[in-house]
Amino acid sequence: DGGITQSPKYLFRKEGQNVTLSCEQNLNHDAMYWYRQDPGQGLRLIYYSQIVNDFQKGDIAEGYSVSREKKESFPLTVTSAQKNPTAFYLCASRLKGGTGGLNTEAFFGQGTRLTVV
Amino acid sequence: AQSVSQHNHHVILSEAASLELGCNYSYGGTVNLFWYVQYPGQHLQLLLKYFSGDPLVKGIKGFEAEFIKSKFSFNLRKPSVQWSDTAEYFCAVALTYQLIWGAGTKLIIKP
Repeated sequence: DGGITQSPKYLFRKEGQNVTLSCEQNLNHDAMYWYRQDPGQGLRLIYYSQIVNDFQKGDIAEGYSVSREKKESFPLTVTSAQKNPTAFYLCASRLKGGTGGLNTEAFFGQGTRLTVV
Repeated sequence: AQSVSQHNHHVILSEAASLELGCNYSYGGTVNLFWYVQYPGQHLQLLLKYFSGDPLVKGIKGFEAEFIKSKFSFNLRKPSVQWSDTAEYFCAVALTYQLIWGAGTKLIIKP
C-alpha cells in the first residue's frame, strides 16, 4: 500500500538530547513537509523540501534540522536548541502538480508524539 | 502575510443538527482550497477540495463546501451530523508549494 510512514509513534527525549523523527513515503511525491501541531494552533510549518538535496525553512524552523538525501525520506532532527519540543509532529507529502503545486492534495503520516522528560 | 481563519475553535452539536464551519483566507490571487479532517487517533485525511469550476464541492461522508470568491470564504457544511463526525477539522489554502492552515475546529457531536 502506498503511503507515508512516520516512526516512532511515541518518543521520549531527555533535556539536552537531539532526537530524529523518521518520515518515509512510497508515493513518489516530490514535495515533503514537516509540521508541528499544538492544541489551538493548527499546523505550523517547520521545514519543507521540493526536491532532493534541497529544503527551505518554514515558520518555526529554529531548533530543528532536516535532510533530503533521497526522494522517499525526509527525517527531522529536534535539537537541544529547541526550547519547547514537546508536541505532535506530522510529516506530509505532495506531488508537484501541473501548476507549481497548487492543485495537489497533501497526504499525511500518522504522526510522532514527542515528549521531553 | 497570507492567513487562514477558522472562526470557531470548538463546536458542540447534537446528532442530526446541521453544521457549518467557517473558513476565510486572506490571499487575493488564485487559490486552491482544502478541508481536512482528523478523527481521534487517526491521521489527517482529505475531506474535499476546490481547484476550479463549480464553487459547490462535495466531499466524503456527506460533507460539502462552497467557495465564495467575493467573500474569500470556503465554508464547510453538512445537513445532518452523526456522532461519528466528532473530529477536528482544518481548512487549508495552497499557495504554490506551501499550504497555509487554519487553527482547526474541534467538533463534538452529542449522541
